[in-house]
Amino acid sequence: GQQVMQIPQYQHVQEGEDFTTYCNSSTTLSNIQWYKQRPGGHPVFLIQLVKSGEVKKQKRLTFQFGEAKKNSSLHITATQTTDVGTYFCAGRDTNAGKSTFGDGTTLTVKP
Amino acid sequence: GAGVSQSPSNKVTEKGKDVELRCDPISGHTALYWYRQSLGQGLEFLIYFQGNSAPDKSGLPSDRFSAERTGGSVSTLTIQRTQQEDSAVYLCASSQRGGRYNSPLHFGNGTRLTVT
Repeated sequence: GQQVMQIPQYQHVQEGEDFTTYCNSSTTLSNIQWYKQRPGGHPVFLIQLVKSGEVKKQKRLTFQFGEAKKNSSLHITATQTTDVGTYFCAGRDTNAGKSTFGDGTTLTVKP
Repeated sequence: GAGVSQSPSNKVTEKGKDVELRCDPISGHTALYWYRQSLGQGLEFLIYFQGNSAPDKSGLPSDRFSAERTGGSVSTLTIQRTQQEDSAVYLCASSQRGGRYNSPLHFGNGTRLTVT
């Protein structure tokens, strides 16, 4: 079945440093979604990418969808303490009815 | 309500007892998902309902787990003869549509289940 792998599992950065998490699928995706889960909270939708090579920005966050639609990345510029949490990608296989979540990348930021 | 509502928020039960967890999705959302999340872990898919289609039960870990969705709205996840390894946060999510054009998932706050 479809597998979605996310790396790294954990990332510790100093406030102001950049952060990137990568998501790779074993199959071609029709779309990919990104979610953020704050400590003690539930996942909250951030963005959805649909087109090959698509790049979207939300303030300091940049999301990319690979040309082959099998990988994606989330990059945060100049991290802040409010960025802490676990970032999940969720990819939908072209033949599947639901998305498969990656295991998440947990970001901690030292002030 | 404005969001996905789950009840109870916390449940402590004795090993061997049955539990029922409830999810009220956002009105009009046709797709409903159940996930399980152990402490510090990722989201483990359990079951997916889409409209009137047969549910995707491929994630249910054993036959002690079952779920139903009545009238295309409220869903109940039932765990029979609970075991200590069932302790986790059970998250419900709904989306406006699933299938080919799946839209973002809206998660509830979860039910924290503790089996003693």
